[in-house]
This record gives sequence, structure tokens and C-alpha cells, in this order.
Amino acid sequence: QVQLVQSGAEVKKPGASVKVSCKASGYTFTGYYMHWVRQAPGQGLEWMGRINPNSGGTNYAQKFQGRVTMTRDTSISTAYMELSRLRSDDTAVYYCAREVVVVAATEDWFDPWGQGTLVTVSS
Amino acid sequence: DIQMTQSPSSLSASVGDRVTITCRASQSISSYLNWYQQKPGKAPKLLIYAASSLQSGVPSRFSGSGSGTDFTLTISSLQPEDFATYYCQQSYTTGITFGQGTRLEIK
Repeated sequence: QVQLVQSGAEVKKPGASVKVSCKASGYTFTGYYMHWVRQAPGQGLEWMGRINPNSGGTNYAQKFQGRVTMTRDTSISTAYMELSRLRSDDTAVYYCAREVVVVAATEDWFDPWGQGTLVTVSS
Repeated sequence: DIQMTQSPSSLSASVGDRVTITCRASQSISSYLNWYQQKPGKAPKLLIYAASSLQSGVPSRFSGSGSGTDFTLTISSLQPEDFATYYCQQSYTTGITFGQGTRLEIK
């Protein structure tokens, strides 16, 4: 079955960087965009960006431009999200999610999602 | 960015009730609208895609409608496992945005 498994929880100090991984299985990794979404404690969902695992091309939300880097390793079907210059308000659960589109340039949606990775930023 | 506004933000209902959640986009998004359910400590789960298509495995009591700027998610007869938070999401633009969520609680 299609599955996304993320790396474990992280605790970081302000100013540090964190790199979260998302290992895909059950489908052709290079055939689907991978997105990253975060959720601060008690808050809603916030889109961070996406990567085309085939080309490596990325699109980032303006809010994270300059601080986020999304990469992938096709040999192990894994996507990565690195966030730098961490602040306390970056404390959140970070999710990866596969973009599904049936016909190119038509509606698309996220399915499945990874289980989430809690990143805590604290001095 | 396209703003997505859900209403209500929270809702109390009883098992067996019919419930409707509304999502409004700040500009037309055609049918590029998806609905997710999230339970505490869990990842979101896809319920409805392309405004009105039921994801495989999701109970038929869930339905979605709308196009353009106004959308609804309806649960025809609430079950105990439906108490959760629901999010709408637009995928019309690359800058994807979510509604703020609707928390559905037991009355």
C-alpha cells in the first residue's frame, strides 16, 4: 500500500537547522509531487512548498523563501525538508503529503500524508 | 494568495444529526477544493476531492458540493467517529491554502 514514513521528533535550539525525511513506498516515487505542510500546536494547516521528485524542481510558499530547502534522493525514494534559522514559532508538526492528480492540469489533492514529525525549537 | 474561510469555526452536534460545514474562497477556484478530516494526534485524512468526489473507503454519509467560491461538506447522520476537525483546501494555485478548520464536538 502507498505509505509515507517520516523521521522522528527533533529538538533544536533557536538559530539551528532541522532536516526532516519522508520515505515513500508502494508507488513510483518520481511520478508524484511531494508537499510539506506544518501545524503549530493547536493551530491549523500551513502549506510550505512542494518538490517534483522527478526533476528536483521546487515551489516554496513566500513565507518560507530563503529558509526552506526541499530535496529528494530518488535512489531511496525519500524526500527531505530542511528549515534553517529556526525560531520558537517554528515549533510544529511537519507533514509530508503526496499530491495526486488523475489527469494533468486538473484537480489535485493530498493522499496519503506522513505520520508527522514534531519539531520543537527551544533554548 | 487565495484566502479560504470556513464556517462555523466550531460546532456542537449529536449522534444522528445532519451537519453542514461551509468553505468560501476569496476568488473563484472552480472545483479545485478538497476536504480533510483530522483527529487529535493524527495526520489529516482525505474525505472529498475535486469538490464532490468521495475518496475510496470514506463512508457515503460524507458528501461535498459547490463550485466557484462556495462549497459545503455535509455529514448526513453523525457517527461517534466523526467528531474531529475538518479542513478545506484549495489547489487552484500552486500557493495552496487551507481553511482555518471546523472543530466538530459532541453535544
